[in-house]
Amino acid sequence: AQKVTQAQTEISVVEKEDVTLDCVYETRDTTYYLFWYKQPPSGELVFLIRRNSFDEQNEISGRYSWNFQKSTSSFNFTITASQVVDSAVYFCALSEAANAGKSTFGDGTTLTVKP
Amino acid sequence: NAGVTQTPKFRVLKTGQSMTLLCAQDMNHEYMYWYRQDPGMGLRLIHYSVGEGTTAKGEVPDGYNVSRLKKQNFLLGLESAAPSQTSVYFCASSYSGQNGEAFFGQGTRLTVV
Repeated sequence: AQKVTQAQTEISVVEKEDVTLDCVYETRDTTYYLFWYKQPPSGELVFLIRRNSFDEQNEISGRYSWNFQKSTSSFNFTITASQVVDSAVYFCALSEAANAGKSTFGDGTTLTVKP
Repeated sequence: NAGVTQTPKFRVLKTGQSMTLLCAQDMNHEYMYWYRQDPGMGLRLIHYSVGEGTTAKGEVPDGYNVSRLKKQNFLLGLESAAPSQTSVYFCASSYSGQNGEAFFGQGTRLTVV
């Protein structure tokens, strides 16, 4: 069975601080996908990134960066110079390789960025 | 450029009533999914479909039925609603299983009283 753990239930930072959201996963599959989604207060799910289990390269997109470490089964997400608009619930998810939409989600981390 | 559209967006049901949630996608995606999101939790998969005429159970299928009669539509039915089914329901679709990013609808907030 697959499992995703986001140990940080809530995080509060002040604007311009860097913040890292942790994600630890469990799977018996050798091939899988990892995702991060953002859920702003409006409620929709916004796709941020998908990572294939064979690709351990870190990725940077603007102020966002992701650190994938297969050895520790972690896929952490860092926001640099946080902004108030980053306030949202962030979900990490894991899916089997054959069906990328059949995902197991973590319980989410609520990030509050204060001005 | 609609993407994934869910109907309705809000609904209040009485215990024991039935209803159907409609998910429509205009991206010609093969795969479609229904998830539920309860307060303080992530999404949990209810049912999914890998193509027209096919459906399969997800993690929490009890109390729900689904149908995929047309490729673009995926219906979620509640035959006899219970308060435990109060939740936000999300539909998603993806082009394929492998390498397919899932696109989510805007969600349906269902309250069963």
